[in-house]
Amino acid sequence: DTGVSQDPRHKITKRGQNVTFRCDPISEHNRLYWYRQTLGQGPEFLTYFQNEAQLEKSRLLSDRFSAERPKGSFSTLEIQRTEQGDSAMYLCASSLGDTGNQPQHFGDGTRLSIL
Amino acid sequence: AQSVTQLGSHVSVSEGALVLLRCNYSSSVPPYLFWYVQYPNQGLQLLLKYTSAATLVKGINGFEAEFKKSETSFHLTKPSAHMSDAAEYFCAVSVSTGNQFYFGTGTSLTVIP
Repeated sequence: DTGVSQDPRHKITKRGQNVTFRCDPISEHNRLYWYRQTLGQGPEFLTYFQNEAQLEKSRLLSDRFSAERPKGSFSTLEIQRTEQGDSAMYLCASSLGDTGNQPQHFGDGTRLSIL
Repeated sequence: AQSVTQLGSHVSVSEGALVLLRCNYSSSVPPYLFWYVQYPNQGLQLLLKYTSAATLVKGINGFEAEFKKSETSFHLTKPSAHMSDAAEYFCAVSVSTGNQFYFGTGTSLTVIP
């Protein structure tokens, strides 16, 4: 069990630029989640995949955000035309199974700073 | 819909003292409840989970939590705090048909030597 891996750990970019983050889940986990966490808050759900299918998206996920999990393994989260309000920690998590009682295993996150 | 309320955004205890972090949940169906710990610049690590088996759940690092349906609570306790327990703690709720966890706003635990 190598754990959930996220890359990069930190990203600093100018407002208006596009950024892409990668998440590699635990290998046998079929579910993959993206969360956003701002200072002093708990993680907020953005979207989740069951294998390669994106099954749910939060209202927080504006049209500038897109996520993919093309082969049901790793996932990418892209933010287009970044804004100051996008500055946050982006967390990826994975779990095994089809019900909500399975714990989610988190990566160390990608911290995004918008200049 | 589900939600979690964590009372006390900051808790300070002396080393060796009892740790009590409060979590109350709201759910229209039987919930699953989790406690996670987060150290600075790291992701969340699972401490323990309640998934409708025993109401008293033991986790890692000496932590435990008790599910009390009548009080809609799932408070986290540890008999004796260590310096290494200083971190941010999050309570989360899910349901069997759910696809996401709902997290509280977290409690920052400080341990005073």
